[in-house]
Amino acid sequence: QQNVQQSPESLIVPEGARTSLNCTFSDSASQYFWWYRQHSGKAPKALMSIFSNGEKEEGRFTIHLNKASLHFSLHIRDSQPSDSALYLCAVRDNNRIFFGDGTQLVVKP
Amino acid sequence: DTTVKQNPRYKLARVGKPVNLICSQTMNHDTMYWYQKKPNQAPKLLLFYYDKILNREADTFEKFQSSRPNNSFCSLYIGSAGLEYSAMYLCASSRRDWGLAETLYFGSGTRLTVL
Repeated sequence: QQNVQQSPESLIVPEGARTSLNCTFSDSASQYFWWYRQHSGKAPKALMSIFSNGEKEEGRFTIHLNKASLHFSLHIRDSQPSDSALYLCAVRDNNRIFFGDGTQLVVKP
Repeated sequence: DTTVKQNPRYKLARVGKPVNLICSQTMNHDTMYWYQKKPNQAPKLLLFYYDKILNREADTFEKFQSSRPNNSFCSLYIGSAGLEYSAMYLCASSRRDWGLAETLYFGSGTRLTVL
């Protein structure tokens, strides 16, 4: 079964910083990759996705994928207090979607 | 509106008693999922319905049941709750005919406490 791991477990950064979150997976045949964000007391919500090696940018957010290294990451430019949330990475494998255990991000004003 | 609703928001149950959790979605999605999330752990896939076909994960096969009487509604049933079932239960839906780009839309969850 797919093993998805995230690092770091938690992160505190100042407002305006660049933040990097990491996710590793165990099956090189995995097909699609997401980052979800969950604000406290709210439902998790998809933030960005990628399916081919490389980089994808949407506003302040950039996702990198390297399938050979079994690794993808989320980078947040100019982090804002509103970015404070639990970030979950997710991997599609064999018609199922598996999640990591999350990175708790706090952005301090 | 992308809406997945879960009821109740909080549920208290006694050990050995049954529990029924409810989820509904208004997006006409063909697939509905149930995940179990415990603190500091990854959401764990329990089962999912693709249309009327139920798929249960091997390691939770005997612990959870589900029904989907129509496209919008899905329930999660625990026949005899144990202390280990205390967790947040997240329902999600998606449109699987988008293929690999299937994105999950989550409800806010039901927090189950078993005493």
